[in-house]
Amino acid sequence: AQSVTQLDSHVSVSEGTPVLLRCNYSSSYSPSLFWYVQHPNKGLQLLLKYTSAATLVKGINGFEAEFKKSETSFHLTKPSAHMSDAAEYFCVVSGKNTGFQKLVFGTGTRLLVSP
Amino acid sequence: GAVVSQHPSRVICKSGTSVKIECRSLDFQATTMFWYRQFPKQSLMLMATSNEGSKATYEQGVEKDKFLINHASLTLSTLTVTSAHPEDSSFYICSASSEGARSYEQYFGPGTRLTVT
Repeated sequence: AQSVTQLDSHVSVSEGTPVLLRCNYSSSYSPSLFWYVQHPNKGLQLLLKYTSAATLVKGINGFEAEFKKSETSFHLTKPSAHMSDAAEYFCVVSGKNTGFQKLVFGTGTRLLVSP
Repeated sequence: GAVVSQHPSRVICKSGTSVKIECRSLDFQATTMFWYRQFPKQSLMLMATSNEGSKATYEQGVEKDKFLINHASLTLSTLTVTSAHPEDSSFYICSASSEGARSYEQYFGPGTRLTVT
């Protein structure tokens, strides 16, 4: 079975400092990996996705993630946090053995950004 | 583009009644729609997958007679929670996909918060 583990339930940073949200995955096949963001009372928005192309994926709003097969990781980073980045972030996996459209969500990481 | 709406955004109903939640793709045709449930401070759990014109496929542990899903057109799917009970209170989120079975991207609605009293 496929799964993702988000190692931190909460991450707190100061505005202007780097962001690191950690995600490890488990998959029998080459996975597709995603990061979604959820702002309060709003739908999920896709930040970026990895689908077996370049291992360094650039997304919206300055976020990027690197697929590291040897470490089974897909950590999300941003060089400089903005107040508007405060939200819930979900690491998500899908793949061949569960059907490409079936998304398996991590438990989420809440990003807190202080002035 | 790729906007998905849900209605209502919030609903309160009494125990034993049924409530219907609509999910619409506003600017694309959704061949597949998904229904998720999210408990407070928890992740999204897939409840069911529906393809237009077909019966929904429910995930293990989801009661298909309790959570009725209809996907009658390429732009509309409905989730009806029948004989709702307080434990059904949750945040329900739909998503839609517009491409073939190998597509990976889903577009999510803003969610519906259901409270059963």
